Amino acid sequence: EAGVAQSPRYKIIEKRQSVAFWCNPISGHATLYWYQQILGQGPKLLIQFQNNGVVDDSQLPKDRFSAERLKGVDSTLKIQPAKLEDSAVYLCANSSGTGIGEQFFGPGTRLTVL
Amino acid sequence: ELKVEQNPLFLSMQEGKNYTIYCNYSTTSDRLYWYRQDPGKSLESLFVLLSNGAVKQEGRLMASLDTKARLSTLHITAAVHDLSATYFCAVPTNSGYALNFGKGTSLLVTP
Repeated sequence: EAGVAQSPRYKIIEKRQSVAFWCNPISGHATLYWYQQILGQGPKLLIQFQNNGVVDDSQLPKDRFSAERLKGVDSTLKIQPAKLEDSAVYLCANSSGTGIGEQFFGPGTRLTVL
Repeated sequence: ELKVEQNPLFLSMQEGKNYTIYCNYSTTSDRLYWYRQDPGKSLESLFVLLSNGAVKQEGRLMASLDTKARLSTLHITAAVHDLSATYFCAVPTNSGYALNFGKGTSLLVTP
């Protein structure tokens, strides 16, 4: 079974620029999450999708962050404009949405904002 | 607000020794997850604990859950260098299965 794919793996931008991350989840897993992991901390949820719909985006800075999940499969996370404090690893995770709730994480995108 | 606290945050131990990492959480939950993260890598699921008294073991690691005390432990037996990594515990948020993570315990096993 293929895992969660993310791209790009690394991105360096200057503040006030825009950036987008892409996630291709495990086939058939309905629930998708985006987490932000700042160096030295645990991941923090940004947004949760169930199929196409948003379940929880309470911690998403909506003035600059946006996310969508097309056709209940792939997802993109965008930052516009980026700030220095957005430097982090952005992790996409996937679960079947039922049962034990185990999440499977992608390799992450490491963002550096200069 | 759900809080998840791990201790210690940093742990240096010698090979062959035993140690326990603790994870406390602030609201009721009947499940808890442990993940491992190697430097520069993503998170790997280690244990899924689904009920009070649950105990899971894999190799030199054993995890347990006490939902009444809101406490989980990750016990390391006879540590080896390959166990060096950061270990996170996580508890589901109120909105569903999204996870609230602790800050992680950075473990270094030395000869």
